[in-house]
Amino acid sequence: DGGITQSPKYLFRKEGQNVTLSCEQNLNHDAMYWYRQDPGQGLRLIYYSQIVNDFQKGDIAEGYSVSREKKESFPLTVTSAQKNPTAFYLCASTRTGGNYGYTFGSGTRLTVV
Amino acid sequence: AQTVTQSQPEMSVQEAETVTLSCTYDTSESDYYLFWYKQPPSRQMILVIRQEAYKQQNATENRFSVNFQKAAKSFSLKISDSQLGDAAMYFCAYRTFYTGANSKLTFGKGITLSVRP
Repeated sequence: DGGITQSPKYLFRKEGQNVTLSCEQNLNHDAMYWYRQDPGQGLRLIYYSQIVNDFQKGDIAEGYSVSREKKESFPLTVTSAQKNPTAFYLCASTRTGGNYGYTFGSGTRLTVV
Repeated sequence: AQTVTQSQPEMSVQEAETVTLSCTYDTSESDYYLFWYKQPPSRQMILVIRQEAYKQQNATENRFSVNFQKAAKSFSLKISDSQLGDAAMYFCAYRTFYTGANSKLTFGKGITLSVRP
């Protein structure tokens, strides 16, 4: 079955460390997205990519980095520059254009220890 | 830039009753798409219903229907015959009609719906 796989489900980071969240899709979707979810804040866009080797900053890109070397993969790195990284992170993908909503992964909960 | 507003952070409904979740949005575009997503305690986001702005007919999906008022920029979700499994956070979202770099979803802050047995 096609879908989006996020790993790990839970991730713990020490202060000053970089960590990478994985997102893989086998839906042949062109566009992929990373959102951060905090209580009372809804979903806020971090980065998105519509084609391989190209990506754009979202509303809260500071302290994060991404790559899109393959159509299927869109990993997110949370760097030590992100001051408050504890949150729930959601990856999504979609076809470009049309009334297509997103297909979401099951999320990664990142906690700073 | 488009904005989506869900002004009610929480709502409650009795099982088997009907509840309406409100959403308003702001845009200068005439064509666009609107969505409602459900996020249950598992935190998996599930698409509930979608509406094309150029369609006058309100979308329906089983017990879920929308009241789309384009002039008022309002997009409410009605859940009929509420079930315990409907308890979740619900997000309203907007997507531009056009392809390209701005073809992304903008979400509201969500409404937490509880269902009383």
